[in-house]
Amino acid sequence: EPEVTQTPSHQVTQMGQEVILRCVPISNHLYFYWYRQILGQKVEFLVSFYNNEISEKSEIFDDQFSVERPDGSNFTLKIRSTKLEDSAMYFCASSALGTDSGYTFGSGTRLTVV
Amino acid sequence: QQQVKQSPQSLIVQKGGISIINCAYENTAFDYFPWYQQFPGKGPALLIAIRPDVSEKKEGRFTISFNKSAKQFSLHIMDSQPGDSATYFCAATLSGGSYIPTFGRGTSLIVHP
Repeated sequence: EPEVTQTPSHQVTQMGQEVILRCVPISNHLYFYWYRQILGQKVEFLVSFYNNEISEKSEIFDDQFSVERPDGSNFTLKIRSTKLEDSAMYFCASSALGTDSGYTFGSGTRLTVV
Repeated sequence: QQQVKQSPQSLIVQKGGISIINCAYENTAFDYFPWYQQFPGKGPALLIAIRPDVSEKKEGRFTISFNKSAKQFSLHIMDSQPGDSATYFCAATLSGGSYIPTFGRGTSLIVHP
């Protein structure tokens, strides 16, 4: 069964440092998403990406965040200057048609900012 | 307006029992209500979903009941098994848009053997 792959599974970084979280969406999917989940809390939408541009973003996705699809397979989330409150599980998701059809999450990257 | 309220926060059920998780939404424009199941260390996975034109949808031991007038929907797990132990998230979305679910806070379900 096709999977959304995320790397690394766990990243520890110093406050103020830049981090890049990587995702490989399912190959024939066209819509890509980043979500975050602070420990014990709900899953929160960050950003959606289609046709090489951001289609929607939440108020959480401020100027310290950026997304990129640098090649035909990877989808990255960059946090420029990490803060303690950025510590969370970050999930990448992809879907084929921007609908509920085949909306698939990766296993997540646990980001710890110290 | 965009909130989805989920309860209970945690639930403990004996094997063979019925697990019931409730959600309520505010935005009457929502027209697609999925439930996601999340095991530790994994991402959420779509479990079952319903549209408001039906009041109930059943898939195996999992049933969604939907009450449009009350803006509430619930997940029933019949004959609960230890393997059902996971966190369950309800969500609501606009299927005609870019499909970005608004999630509830999650329910941690533990099924004792």
